[in-house]
Amino acid sequence: DGGITQSPKYLFRKEGQNVTLSCEQNLNHDAMYWYRQDPGQGLRLIYYSQIVNDFQKGDIAEGYSVSREKKESFPLTVTSAQKNPTAFYLCASSISTGTGYGYTFGSGTRLTVV
Amino acid sequence: GQQVMQIPQYQHVQEGEDFTTYCNSSTTLSNIQWYKQRPGGHPVFLIQLVKSGEVKKQKRLTFQFGEAKKNSSLHITATQTTDVGTYFCAGPRGGANNLFFGTGTRLTVIP
Repeated sequence: DGGITQSPKYLFRKEGQNVTLSCEQNLNHDAMYWYRQDPGQGLRLIYYSQIVNDFQKGDIAEGYSVSREKKESFPLTVTSAQKNPTAFYLCASSISTGTGYGYTFGSGTRLTVV
Repeated sequence: GQQVMQIPQYQHVQEGEDFTTYCNSSTTLSNIQWYKQRPGGHPVFLIQLVKSGEVKKQKRLTFQFGEAKKNSSLHITATQTTDVGTYFCAGPRGGANNLFFGTGTRLTVIP
């Protein structure tokens, strides 16, 4: 079955550490996105990519980095510069650029700073 | 900046009662999408509306897009416990190829 796989499901990070969240899709979608969701809150855009080797900052990109070396993969690194990283991270993809297509979301990664 | 507000933020209903959430944008939207997120889960795409005044139905769910394309609503008839979750609307972010999600309405259904 096609879909988006995020790993790990739960991640614990120590202060000062960088961690990388994995996002892989086999839907052959061109566009991929990373959102952050805080408890009881909506979704805020971190980064998005419309094509391989290209990506743009979203509303809250500070303290995060991404890469898009393959169409299927869009990993997110949470750096030590992100002051409040504890949150639920959601990766999504859509068939193409533009906003006429629904997003398919992964099951998310819950990151906790310990 | 662009804002997409949803009301109410929370709604508790008795099973069998109807439920409506409203989505209001500060700008005109070319389309609007609706998503449902179950507790502990991830958002799932429900539907997209494109035309002014458009109405679409999915079983007990009715979606409307306003005439001015700045607001939308989701109405659930005779709620069931399976309807529990947070409902988000999302609209195109002006000048960019991504979606701006609304604040969400969390629905609780009391059996």
